[in-house]
Amino acid sequence: ETGVTQTPRHLVMGMTNKKSLKCEQHLGHNAMYWYKQSAKKPLELMFVYSLEERVENNSVPSRFSPECPNSSHLFLHLHTLQPEDSALYLCASSQETGGDYGYTFGSGTRLTVV
Amino acid sequence: QKEVEQNSGPLSVPEGAIASLNCTYSDRGSQSFFWYRQYSGKSPELIMFIYSNGDKEDGRFTAQLNKASQYVSLLIRDSQPSDSATYLCAVNSFMDSNYQLIWGAGTKLIIKP
Repeated sequence: ETGVTQTPRHLVMGMTNKKSLKCEQHLGHNAMYWYKQSAKKPLELMFVYSLEERVENNSVPSRFSPECPNSSHLFLHLHTLQPEDSALYLCASSQETGGDYGYTFGSGTRLTVV
Repeated sequence: QKEVEQNSGPLSVPEGAIASLNCTYSDRGSQSFFWYRQYSGKSPELIMFIYSNGDKEDGRFTAQLNKASQYVSLLIRDSQPSDSATYLCAVNSFMDSNYQLIWGAGTKLIIKP
């Protein structure tokens, strides 16, 4: 495996379900990110981790809960979501926070909340 | 509020012509500038980055940066149908206690055969 891998690719969940998104990077990067991408809107930064420590939490509702057990893995735990949370969720990594050399993105999870 | 602005398009360009994509940003302290390409249903991929004023060329792509006017552009020469995608501009900006990438909403480019 190379780059950044995300699973699952697609997820449909009810508003009362609990699910988790998984991200793994094989690049030796120190920073990892969760982004939300909705149609016609800029990428919305949700969480930033640097060396497993959360350094940014952009006022994200508590129904989204991140976890970073080590510098290669990142999870996003989802519970009691709303239909407006339906979007593409992207994981990214970079050598350091701020991404002087840019970010590498995973393929994303297309989430639909019904 | 630090912002990055892009025309949403769609920008329609004939095959073989030059496609010109523009981006303006609000933070004068920004130092790094990126162009990403995103095909429909796919994730963004980095195609160019530029740090210094002037032009940077890579194959058919040229990034242009003008810090005084706070804009960055991407030129695609000899446009191909495979260049049809949404192009995202991102700018490195210092916010709170660290640097972040601030993103534009993207310009949709259509190359007509």
